Amino acid sequence: GAVVSQHPSRVICKSGTSVKIECRSLDFQATTMFWYRQFPKQSLMLMATSNEGSKATYEQGVEKDKFLINHASLTLSTLTVTSAHPEDSSFYICSAPRTSGHSGDTQYFGPGTRLTVL
Amino acid sequence: KQEVTQIPAALSVPEGENLVLNCSFTDSAIYNLQWFRQDPGKGLTSLLLIQSSQREQTSGRLNASLDKSSGRSTLYIAASQPGDSATYLCAVSGSSNTGKLIFGQGTTLQVKP
Repeated sequence: GAVVSQHPSRVICKSGTSVKIECRSLDFQATTMFWYRQFPKQSLMLMATSNEGSKATYEQGVEKDKFLINHASLTLSTLTVTSAHPEDSSFYICSAPRTSGHSGDTQYFGPGTRLTVL
Repeated sequence: KQEVTQIPAALSVPEGENLVLNCSFTDSAIYNLQWFRQDPGKGLTSLLLIQSSQREQTSGRLNASLDKSSGRSTLYIAASQPGDSATYLCAVSGSSNTGKLIFGQGTTLQVKP
């Protein structure tokens, strides 16, 4: 099956620093990728849509200057949390859609990145 | 605005039982619905995808149904096993098929040996 990887899997940083998270589709190309955030015991909330070759589109309430997204190639999207604060501590998950015949687009999710801001 | 609700929030059953997880959504104009499994601290694994024109999908011991008009989907797990213990999430994609998913809060399942 399709594989999406994320790096790092876990990061701890000091308040005020920036953290970059990578999302890669390993065996397929993705012109679009999605970034989600999941707080403890809550569901996933879509943050933004990453578009290869153009600007990301952000969901309402998500600060685009704080969460910088770059879709550098058809297999790589990066999310940079700038000037991170403790309230940014969360589980960040990316996904990439892959079309599979008559089944349509199936979303393949990365393993997630646990961010802890001290 | 689309809202997805899953009931129950948590479920504990003895091994071998058949069980049903429920998912409801407020806007029936969906492109598809997916069921995912999430293990603690891990990402999501896609279990079943049902297109809006379909009524059900099956994979092994899993069967998912979709009643779009009533805004409901169920995930049926037959002969549950301890390895099925996880959080199960349903998510819907809007009719415009942008790829964005709206998730329910999940049902955390524990299957006791």
